[in-house]
Amino acid sequence: GAVVSQHPSRVICKSGTSVKIECRSLDFQATTMFWYRQFPKQSLMLMATSNEGSKATYEQGVEKDKFLINHASLTLSTLTVTSAHPEDSSFYICSARGFWSPNTEAFFGQGTRLTVV
Amino acid sequence: SQQGEEDPQALSIQEGENATMNCSYKTSINNLQWYRQNSGRGLVHLILIRSNEREKHSGRLRVTLDTSKKSSSLLITASRAADTASYFCATPRGGNNDMRFGAGTRLTVKP
Repeated sequence: GAVVSQHPSRVICKSGTSVKIECRSLDFQATTMFWYRQFPKQSLMLMATSNEGSKATYEQGVEKDKFLINHASLTLSTLTVTSAHPEDSSFYICSARGFWSPNTEAFFGQGTRLTVV
Repeated sequence: SQQGEEDPQALSIQEGENATMNCSYKTSINNLQWYRQNSGRGLVHLILIRSNEREKHSGRLRVTLDTSKKSSSLLITASRAADTASYFCATPRGGNNDMRFGAGTRLTVKP
């Protein structure tokens, strides 16, 4: 199957700083990338959808100025958590889709554990 | 909002026993997928079942889909301690086909 690589796997940052998370499709062109957030013992919640070359679409309740998403190429999307606060501590996972049929499995990165202290 | 609900929320069994997890969803779907997540790790895709399929097998996994009841089940036979993880069902949504996840079932298999 297709490979999606996410980096870093873990990051600890100080409150008020910004953190960038990268999501790369290694062997396919990702026309669409998705960013999810998962709090402890909870399910994954979609934060935003990004299509290459256009602005991301954010889910209701997700602050677009706080979670900056850039999808500048067909193989890379980044999520920047700006002015991070302890309540932003969470597990962030990206997913990518290519040109193939949507009736196939979705491919996910390994996730990033963000801890804001 | 969550697309699906899963039950049970938590399941604890002995090694060698079978584990059954259920998932319900609300809208019409093209397919339904099951994923496993070990604690603090990423998602592992287990199986995809299309809306015109009723049952699918993969190794020790058996998935059923009942579109009339909008429900699916995942059966793990002859469970092992290594099967301990959270299991999620997910369905693609809308034009972008993002995945909507159920609440998940936390499975513990005791050796």
